[in-house]
Amino acid sequence: GNSVTQMEGPVTLSEEAFLTINCTYTATGYPSLFWYVQYPGEGLQLLLKATKADDKGSNKGFEATYRKETTSFHLEKGSVQVSDSAVYFCALTNRDDKIIFGKGTRLHILP
Amino acid sequence: DAGVIQSPRHEVTEMGQEVTLRCKPISGHNSLFWYRQTMMRGLELLIYFNNNVPIDDSGMPEDRFSAKMPNASFSTLKIQPSEPRDSAVYFCASSLSGVHSEAFFGQGTRLTVV
Repeated sequence: GNSVTQMEGPVTLSEEAFLTINCTYTATGYPSLFWYVQYPGEGLQLLLKATKADDKGSNKGFEATYRKETTSFHLEKGSVQVSDSAVYFCALTNRDDKIIFGKGTRLHILP
Repeated sequence: DAGVIQSPRHEVTEMGQEVTLRCKPISGHNSLFWYRQTMMRGLELLIYFNNNVPIDDSGMPEDRFSAKMPNASFSTLKIQPSEPRDSAVYFCASSLSGVHSEAFFGQGTRLTVV
């Protein structure tokens, strides 16, 4: 079946540090891959997505590349800010339209 | 569009009472999802509708939980009777069918069962 595995948190970084949150997936066929972000007290919102192999999704300085050979979709940002503190979820959709989420990674950025 | 609208935002109820959570999806979306989020278990998919038809309810924890979607613009999640372990944040999300489509989430309903 389809599944998503992401690194456990919490991840604590200083402002302006480089961020990587690892995500790997298991799926048949050609899923689409997503990163969602959840700020305190809010629902999840889409951060970026990639719909085919080698696509790079990007938004707000965050990037992730769809790597089919390693079944990965790692989230990166070159210089994090305090306002990036949130919970980040990796997710995929496949032929059945069901959205499969990872367990989430809590990110703390220290000023 | 106002986005996915959930009500109520907060609900406190006594154990044994019936609780009904409501969701209005984004107009034109034909997939609807109910999720439950807790610290211990993370984000769990409870049930998924497509074109108002329940497609996968394997995540519904037990018979005390039921969900309906009588039309394209409204869905309910009911817990009867409620128990303290049902305390969680419940999210509704909607999307257009299709492998490339992202989900849009409501603000959630924080349920506390005392």
